[in-house]
Amino acid sequence: ETGVTQTPRHLVMGMTNKKSLKCEQHLGHNAMYWYKQSAKKPLELMFVYNFKEQTENNSVPSRFSPECPNSSHLFLHLHTLQPEDSALYLCASSQDTSYEQYFGPGTRLTVT
Amino acid sequence: AQSVTQPDIHITVSEGASLELRCNYSYGATPYLFWYVQSPGQGLQLLLKYFSGDTLVQGIKGFEAEFKRSQSSFNLRKPSVHWSDAAEYFCAVGAVTGAQKLVFGQGTRLTINP
Repeated sequence: ETGVTQTPRHLVMGMTNKKSLKCEQHLGHNAMYWYKQSAKKPLELMFVYNFKEQTENNSVPSRFSPECPNSSHLFLHLHTLQPEDSALYLCASSQDTSYEQYFGPGTRLTVT
Repeated sequence: AQSVTQPDIHITVSEGASLELRCNYSYGATPYLFWYVQSPGQGLQLLLKYFSGDTLVQGIKGFEAEFKRSQSSFNLRKPSVHWSDAAEYFCAVGAVTGAQKLVFGQGTRLTINP
């Protein structure tokens, strides 16, 4: 595997479910990001991790819980989501917290 | 606060025609500027970036962009588009608020007519 991978690529979940999104980067980077991409809205930065430490939480609701066990892996734990949380969730990585970010293909999440 | 405006939500051009996608930014200092492309079902791919120096920057896939400070613009151009260029294009400005982060425009969807 090369670059940034995300699993699953598609996820449908009910509002009472608990699920997790996974991101893995194979670029040797040490910063990782979660973005939310909704229709007709700009990309929204959710979380930033640098050397496994969270450096930014962009006022994200607590039903989204990130986890970064090491510099190569990033998770987004989801629970009691709302239909408006349906979106494409993109993971990215960079060398340090840099503007030159490399994106994964995203997880298309549908909340029913 | 930093912001990016892409005035055109959707543009259609014929294959072989020239292309210009507009981007205007708002930022108090010298900006770091980027263009990304997103094909259907894919993540974002960096096309080109401007940090400093020559205001005309070359990117991948035959794209170029010109930074014009007086107009606060960073328009993306390609002299002759190919059907494979159909995608969504995002302009972004780099901002420093603690961590470095990107602020994106809403995107321009490009359709290519055969």
